[in-house]
Amino acid sequence: DIQMTQSPSSLSASVGDRVTITCRASQAIDNYLAWYQQKPGKVPKLLIYGASTLQPRVPSRFSGSGSGTDFTLTISILQPDDVATYFCQTYNSGPRTFGQGTKVEIK
Amino acid sequence: QVQLVESGGGLVKPGGSLRLSCAASGFTFTGSYMSWVRQVPGKGLEWISYITGSGRTISYADSVKGRFTISRDNAKSSLYLQMNNLRADDTAVYYCAGGLGWPLDYWGQGTLVTVSS
Repeated sequence: DIQMTQSPSSLSASVGDRVTITCRASQAIDNYLAWYQQKPGKVPKLLIYGASTLQPRVPSRFSGSGSGTDFTLTISILQPDDVATYFCQTYNSGPRTFGQGTKVEIK
Repeated sequence: QVQLVESGGGLVKPGGSLRLSCAASGFTFTGSYMSWVRQVPGKGLEWISYITGSGRTISYADSVKGRFTISRDNAKSSLYLQMNNLRADDTAVYYCAGGLGWPLDYWGQGTLVTVSS
């Protein structure tokens, strides 16, 4: 089964900072990679699919990149509203495994 | 608008059974891939099962294979999860989620399952 490893597990950054989260698959998954945002006490929300395609109404400060085994989620200008835990998920084949999550906080 | 409403959670003893339901509305349920995802409060997301729109393709995580059964009734726009031989480590919030294929566009609010004696 494919394992998804996110790093870091948590980060603290200042408003306006550029934030990058990485997700590594244990084997190649082409671009079958999604990113979800889960704000405290809320339900997960799909942000990005196909590794780099933003869902409608997702702010353009979010971007995704990568293919194969290495992927990144970038928040170009961190906002207070971005405090959340971010999860990657593969939907290539087999189990639709999630990464363990990256908690983003404001410094 | 899209709504997924889970029900059926609760307290059950180890070895017991529960059946979760998810009522869908606001989108084309028949053509949608549907999943169950669980989350221990304060922890990460764990995908546990999905079913295609026709019901012909089903997949399970190893952690629930042989104990849980996913099913759907397209006439009722409903998704189900039959959970047998429950264990303490099955305690979690169970989300119904889905979309037109992958990934998971729509999410319910979740239902809490607690397995404890």
